[in-house]
Amino acid sequence: DARVTQTPRHKVTEMGQEVTMRCQPILGHNTVFWYRQTMMQGLELLAYFRNRAPLDDSGMPKDRFSAEMPDATLATLKIQPSEPRDSAVYFCASGLATTGLWNEKLFFGSGTQLSVL
Amino acid sequence: AQTVTQSQPEMSVQEAETVTLSCTYDTSESDYYLFWYKQPPSRQMILVIRQEAYKQQNATENRFSVNFQKAAKSFSLKISDSQLGDAAMYFCAASGNTPLVFGKGTRLSVIA
Repeated sequence: DARVTQTPRHKVTEMGQEVTMRCQPILGHNTVFWYRQTMMQGLELLAYFRNRAPLDDSGMPKDRFSAEMPDATLATLKIQPSEPRDSAVYFCASGLATTGLWNEKLFFGSGTQLSVL
Repeated sequence: AQTVTQSQPEMSVQEAETVTLSCTYDTSESDYYLFWYKQPPSRQMILVIRQEAYKQQNATENRFSVNFQKAAKSFSLKISDSQLGDAAMYFCAASGNTPLVFGKGTRLSVIA
């Protein structure tokens, strides 16, 4: 079965350290999304790409977060420096957009559980 | 911008019974899509069902069906013949000219 692969599954780090999360979208999908899940805020959209081009990253703290797609098989989310409030589950999702509407089914990875001490 | 509201933080149902999870949304768009996602303890987000707003017929997927009331901006999920494996967080979501926006979720417990 085709699936979105995220690594690492768990990450524990100390405040101030750099964190890089990786995502391999499903082959052939042309949209990639990064969501953050916390108990307080629920699922928040951080950034998204279509055909590898960043469309919107207004959901991310710009000073410390960055999202890139070096190629069609890899998306990365980086936090530098990390802070305790960044502790959350980070999900990557991919889909196949064929029209102007965001109507496609999204397939989610298993998420990265990040703990910043 | 869209907003999605799930007013039931927790629900429970007896095995084999039927339960309905509520969801309301707000959007200014004329064309949009509505979704229900399931998140079991494994953390995986699984698409349960999808509804296209321009379709009047309610979507159905096996034991899962929706009651879509466009004028009321309501999109409830009905689970029939509940099974232990249905226990999970359920998220309602909406998309249109912007990507998926999620509600805060409803935790469903299934009692044997």
